[in-house]
Amino acid sequence: DAKTTQPPSMDCAEGRAANLPCNHSTISGNEYVYWYRQIHSQGPQYIIHGLKNNETNEMASLIITEDRKSSTLILPHATLRDTAVYYCIVRVSGGYQKVTFGTGTKLQVIP
Amino acid sequence: DGGITQSPKYLFRKEGQNVTLSCEQNLNHDAMYWYRQDPGQGLRLIYYSQIVNDFQKGDIAEGYSVSREKKESFPLTVTSAQKNPTAFYLCASSIALQGRNTEAFFGQGTRLTVV
Repeated sequence: DAKTTQPPSMDCAEGRAANLPCNHSTISGNEYVYWYRQIHSQGPQYIIHGLKNNETNEMASLIITEDRKSSTLILPHATLRDTAVYYCIVRVSGGYQKVTFGTGTKLQVIP
Repeated sequence: DGGITQSPKYLFRKEGQNVTLSCEQNLNHDAMYWYRQDPGQGLRLIYYSQIVNDFQKGDIAEGYSVSREKKESFPLTVTSAQKNPTAFYLCASSIALQGRNTEAFFGQGTRLTVV
């Protein structure tokens, strides 16, 4: 019962913007979109989350469509250290609930 | 400094033996989670817990058991009933209050190999 759909892999040239898409067409009104990344053999790391407005922090930007059925994570200037698997999940903020991850997008940054 | 610690990093077990993986957090988080990851796969939820002495099965709980006797600790036991225990195990914690910034913090994982 995956709630999100992501492409299995993407390439990006070093220094260019990496745009990672995520579809979440069944998202509920009180569910947020969260993004994490996992560098090989490490625990996932939180990147950013949002409800309906676009968000930006020191790591990335999150663009959520007006109907909230999809979103895009943007890494503005990808570096080789951004090579990782990126996970998009939807969940209610707080509360007692399962938090499940899909298979994510493997981003390869190319020199 | 605050964080979530898993130990050991690598663990070897003989087939048929139970083994317990440790997970400790000093972030004062209410919710804790255990995930399993197989090569090239995403994370699958094993068990999760909101408060002390309460936990719920995730999607793949068979062959695993947990306890939550202290807020800081959520150990996972891989029993001999788990048919394919070799995997990378990840523990996570998060705040469980509504409306708060509730991102999950992950440990660095334990790689279990059954020999």
